[in-house]
Amino acid sequence: GAGVSQSPRYKVAKRGQDVALRCDPISGHVSLFWYQQALGQGPEFLTYFQNEAQLDKSGLPSDRFFAERPEGSVSTLKIQRTQQEDSAVYLCASSLAGRQLSHEQYFGPGTRLTVT
Amino acid sequence: AQSVAQPEDQVNVAEGNPLTVKCTYSVSGNPYLFWYVQYPNRGLQFLLKYITGDNLVKGSYGFEAEFNKSQTSFHLKKPSALVSDSALYFCAVRPSGGSYIPTFGRGTSLIVHP
Repeated sequence: GAGVSQSPRYKVAKRGQDVALRCDPISGHVSLFWYQQALGQGPEFLTYFQNEAQLDKSGLPSDRFFAERPEGSVSTLKIQRTQQEDSAVYLCASSLAGRQLSHEQYFGPGTRLTVT
Repeated sequence: AQSVAQPEDQVNVAEGNPLTVKCTYSVSGNPYLFWYVQYPNRGLQFLLKYITGDNLVKGSYGFEAEFNKSQTSFHLKKPSALVSDSALYFCAVRPSGGSYIPTFGRGTSLIVHP
């Protein structure tokens, strides 16, 4: 079946530009997570949605980062006024249930953002 | 605060030999533990998890992991490595109660030589 998809796969932005990263989770998955993965590191939590509700945004590094999931399916991560330190791979993951902590996550291929 | 340590940046093993990728964790209460694998330009793929019960967990592609509560470890193992197992492996932990946010290790690069 279809997995988690993300677009674009690669994005080059000039410093100061705004970018929007899209995530299409697996159909029917309630939970959606965004992560930031720096080179040589594991994924770092950014934000969590349960359906359309953003229940946790404690990992967003600054107020330039904004995420939404208005209809409880597709999600968009927006970064305003990009900075070089924003360069990373942004991963989206979905999970079948709500706060079932035992459920594994299904990851998309990621969007590699390079800010020049 | 919860944390995961993967002490080896890289593990090298010959094809056909057993492999072990190490993971230790720190969490309040009982842990839920996960292993994921990442191939180049791909997202993380779930391999296996420990929730409760038998300490030896079997997962995809012949991998298994052993939960050791006293040593707070969850090492990934495979009896006979394949060249195609070469990839980046991540261990992750969540507490069984409380935060649903998983913490990932920094990853271990497994290289299987023909």
